Amino acid sequence: GQQLNQSPQSMFIQEGEDVSMNCTSSSIFNTWLWYKQDPGEGPVLLIALYKAGELTSNGRLTAQFGITRKDSFLNISASIPSDVGIYFCAGSQGNLIFGKGTKLSVKP
Amino acid sequence: GAVVSQHPSRVICKSGTSVKIECRSLDFQATTMFWYRQFPKKSLMLMATSNEGSKATYEQGVEKDKFLINHASLTLSTLTVTSAHPEDSSFYICSVGRNSNQPQHFGDGTRLSIL
Repeated sequence: GQQLNQSPQSMFIQEGEDVSMNCTSSSIFNTWLWYKQDPGEGPVLLIALYKAGELTSNGRLTAQFGITRKDSFLNISASIPSDVGIYFCAGSQGNLIFGKGTKLSVKP
Repeated sequence: GAVVSQHPSRVICKSGTSVKIECRSLDFQATTMFWYRQFPKKSLMLMATSNEGSKATYEQGVEKDKFLINHASLTLSTLTVTSAHPEDSSFYICSVGRNSNQPQHFGDGTRLSIL
C-alpha cells in the first residue's frame, strides 16, 4: 500500500534555530497536509497544500507541495520552546496517509 | 474554536467491558467521519470511515464486530469497542472534513486503558 517516508525521525535543536523536515512518497497525492500533535492530544492542522509547487506560510511555518506531487517539506524558522511536539505529514487522495512523524525537541 | 469534540478523553475499565466513544462535528454537518488508532510513539492508522446513514467502511485487518461504528446523525459518530481486552488499549482519535477535498480536523482523542 501507499507509504510516506518522513524524515528526520527526531530532532534536538537550540531555541532560535531553524528546522526543516520532509516527506516523500512513491505515489502522487492531490493534497499535502502538515499536522502537529502534542502529548495526549489529537493532531492540529498547521498547513494545507493543494497545488503542485505551492508554497504556503503560517507564521514562522512554511511548507511546499513538491512539483512531482510526491513530496513536501515543512520549515520552522526561529524555533521556540512551544514548537516542541510531533509533526506529521499526510497525503490525501480522499483518505489520509500519514508519515511516521518527526519528534522535535527545543532546548531553551 | 474547536471543530471536533471527542468524548470521553480517558477511559480505564476492566477486561470484557464494552466502551463507547463519541465524536461530534461542531462546525458543520459531516456525512463522513474517520476513526484512527494510534499506538505509543507511532503514527495514526485509519481504522474505518464512518458514513452517515449507512454502514461504515473498515480498513483491512480491522474487525467490524469488534469495533462497532454508528453514524446516526450528521454531527455524531460513535465507536464502540466491544468486550475490550488489554490489547485494545490505545489512543483512539476521530476526524472530520467538510468534504474529501478539505483537510481533516481531529478530535482530542480518547486514551483507552483496559486492565
